[in-house]
Amino acid sequence: EIVMTQSPATLSVSPGERATLSCRASQSVMTNLAWYQQKSGQAPRLLIYSASKRATDIPARFSGSGSGTEFTLTISSLQSEDFAVYYCHQYDNWPPLTFGGGTKVEIK
Amino acid sequence: EVQLVESGGGLIQPGGSLRLSCAVSGFTVSTKYMSWVRQAPGKGLEWVSVIYAAGSTNYADSVRGRFTTSRDTSKNTLYLEMNSLRVEDTAVYYCARDGGYGFYFDCWGQGSLVTVSS
Repeated sequence: EIVMTQSPATLSVSPGERATLSCRASQSVMTNLAWYQQKSGQAPRLLIYSASKRATDIPARFSGSGSGTEFTLTISSLQSEDFAVYYCHQYDNWPPLTFGGGTKVEIK
Repeated sequence: EVQLVESGGGLIQPGGSLRLSCAVSGFTVSTKYMSWVRQAPGKGLEWVSVIYAAGSTNYADSVRGRFTTSRDTSKNTLYLEMNSLRVEDTAVYYCARDGGYGFYFDCWGQGSLVTVSS
């Protein structure tokens, strides 16, 4: 099973600032990695797939990068609606599909 | 418009059974990989099961032998039959659709809460 590790667990950021979230895989997943945003009480929403492709209707301030075992989600200028929990997800080697433990982005 | 709507959750005693449904609209359930993903209270996401377009299934080790995923194409609905439920199965259960360019999830239901408690 591929273990996904996200850091930091919590990220405190001021509105308008840049946020950088990290995700590490225990073995290479190539670029078979997705990012989701989850707000309190809501289902996850797909942001990024194939490590760097934005999903439909996702704003350009969200970008993904990386390959192999190291990945980054960057939010270039945080808006109020971006404060949420973010999960990475590998779909290279499955079953099982595996998720990271999440990074909570909170208001500083 | 694509929509996934779960139902069937509730409070159940340990050892009991429950069936969740996921009513699909906007596409045909048998043309996509469809998964169940769960989230225990205050915890992260855990993949539970998949039913492939061809109809075969696969499961996480934690539920294999106890849970069964199926679909009814006439109703365009996905199901999760859960038996021998344990306290640790308590979670919000989401149905989710594969994105088509890899096994990520581009569409999720709103979730259905299953609470296993005596």
